[in-house]
Amino acid sequence: AQSVTQLDSQVPVFEEAPVELRCNYSSSVSVYLFWYVQYPNQGLQLLLKYLSGSTLVKGINGFEAEFNKSQTSFHLRKPSVHISDTAEYFCAVTFTGGGNKLTFGTGTQLKVEL
Amino acid sequence: DAGVTQSPTHLIKTRGQQVTLRCSPISGHKSVSWYQQVLGQGPQFIFQYYEKEERGRGNFPDRFSARQFPNYSSELNVNALLLGDSALYLCASSLGAGLPNTEAFFGQGTRLTVV
Repeated sequence: AQSVTQLDSQVPVFEEAPVELRCNYSSSVSVYLFWYVQYPNQGLQLLLKYLSGSTLVKGINGFEAEFNKSQTSFHLRKPSVHISDTAEYFCAVTFTGGGNKLTFGTGTQLKVEL
Repeated sequence: DAGVTQSPTHLIKTRGQQVTLRCSPISGHKSVSWYQQVLGQGPQFIFQYYEKEERGRGNFPDRFSARQFPNYSSELNVNALLLGDSALYLCASSLGAGLPNTEAFFGQGTRLTVV
């Protein structure tokens, strides 16, 4: 079975500082990896995705993530955060043979402070 | 173009009642999936439909059912509501048959509170 682990439930960071949100996955088959953002009382918005090719993926709002197959990780990074980045971030996977059913992690609450 | 629309946005039900949630996918999208997001958790997959046929089902009891209509809109039904069914219910649509490398677009969700 596939699973996603987001070890950090909350990450506080000061504005303009860099941030990394960690994501590790477990799967016996090939996976595709996604990061979604959820603002309060809203649905999910796709930040970026890794399907194939370059392991460094750039997304919206200045976010990027790197796929590391040997470490089964897909950490999300931003070099300089803004107050507006305060939100819940979810890492998710789909897998070969599973349609586009998403398996999500438990989420990381990013809180950007002045 | 309109995104994925869900209705209602909020509702309150009593234990034992039944509820129907509705979802309209993005125009041209034929695949609809439903997810349950309990407070403080990631979304959990409930169902996927493509061309009116069920393509996948998550680990949910038979009290949960869904269907997809010829216009590709979908309904999620939950019978005999329990307090634990209180959650944000998310609908997602995608283009084509829902291959693993296709993006899912989410609606704003329906917040269900069971009292």
